[in-house]
Amino acid sequence: GQNIDQPTEMTATEGAIVQINCTYQTSGFNGLFWYQQHAGEAPTFLSYNVLDGLEEKGRFSSFLSRSKGYSYLLLKELQMKDSASYLCAVTDSNYQLIWGAGTKLIIKP
Amino acid sequence: IAGITQAPTSQILAAGRRMTLRCTQDMRHNAMYWYRQDLGLGLRLIHYSNTAGTTGKGEVPDGYSVSRANTDDFPLTLASAVPSQTSVYFCASSEDRGAGGGNEQFFGPGTRLTVL
Repeated sequence: GQNIDQPTEMTATEGAIVQINCTYQTSGFNGLFWYQQHAGEAPTFLSYNVLDGLEEKGRFSSFLSRSKGYSYLLLKELQMKDSASYLCAVTDSNYQLIWGAGTKLIIKP
Repeated sequence: IAGITQAPTSQILAAGRRMTLRCTQDMRHNAMYWYRQDLGLGLRLIHYSNTAGTTGKGEVPDGYSVSRANTDDFPLTLASAVPSQTSVYFCASSEDRGAGGGNEQFFGPGTRLTVL
């Protein structure tokens, strides 16, 4: 079966750094996405990785290791507005997007 | 304003009733999707459409139907609603249904549906 695992919830302090991990087992791989979803709102695109390595975009970075079936999203200089759920999703061999259940990130002052 | 709109925002429905959720995008995207999101579960794909005139089944299609008469609209119909269809429904679109940085999905604001 296809499976994406993420921690259910994480807590971090304003101004700190947090790393949200995602491991996946899918039938084929055609890229990995990270989305942010604030409570009661729609998911919005954060990043996309298809090759191994780190992609940096401002305070957010995303890393991929295809051989390990592993990705992480790194958030630096945390702000209160970063409190949200972070969704990991993998495109399988049929180009279907398989979604993880999401990680709820709580930022404390 | 470019994007995706969904209607209604929320709805309470009696079991057995028929309901159509509307979705319209103005980005001229080829691919469109319907998801349901339930607490503790990831987004689950109900149906998708690669381009106008074509549709396909996702992970949880039973009890739902879709049509894609044109590029912009992708309505989702519940023929006879049941309580297990209580969920938040998101419509999304992408340039094409495939991998690639240009194929991220853009989501509508969602419809919160309660079936009693």
